[in-house]
Amino acid sequence: SQQGEEDPQALSIQEGENATMNCSYKTSINNLQWYRQNSGRGLVHLILIRSNEREKHSGRLRVTLDTSKKSSSLLITASRAADTASYFCAAETSGSRLTFGEGTQLTVNP
Amino acid sequence: EPEVTQTPSHQVTQMGQEVILRCVPISNHLYFYWYRQILGQKVEFLVSFYNNEISEKSEIFDDQFSVERPDGSNFTLKIRSTKLEDSAMYFCASRGQDTGELFFGEGSRLTVL
Repeated sequence: SQQGEEDPQALSIQEGENATMNCSYKTSINNLQWYRQNSGRGLVHLILIRSNEREKHSGRLRVTLDTSKKSSSLLITASRAADTASYFCAAETSGSRLTFGEGTQLTVNP
Repeated sequence: EPEVTQTPSHQVTQMGQEVILRCVPISNHLYFYWYRQILGQKVEFLVSFYNNEISEKSEIFDDQFSVERPDGSNFTLKIRSTKLEDSAMYFCASRGQDTGELFFGEGSRLTVL
């Protein structure tokens, strides 16, 4: 079964709007992380939420985790054109392996 | 700011050739990883390395793959006999003792012809 499936696959919004991306996973996790990837570049860690946490904030980012539904969401508020990138959730299972989702391609139009 | 560095940034090789991808993790990190991303697809776990040995590997990481930490700074991924389907971006990552956050390099793009 697949870990870390995101929706939507692609999201296009206007600058200033909020962007919400969702992620689901299959097995028990230690934590759930979100990463950002600009085209052709490496992944950059955004935020980590532990399995015993429900919500976390970092600047314009808000992450929620619902372990009963095995799902997480990433909210980016007041989006900017520079937020255009692919966003991946990654579930850390036992042994510290990160299993990444398919990703959401976010386009923020100026 | 400390960063993970990878070389080469792009390597083109013939099918059947051996390839070594190199990584310099962040200096005080203890856990090291290789991931790969086939063009347009998701990032896939290959192997994790801790205390000079493999701690976990995926089904992708078969006998054609090996990892090594030959000295105190480098962490290498070797593919013994490359196949067309090995064409991908290979990412090295490291993390410290008390955090789950992975720091990724910019990747090495491998093209197998």
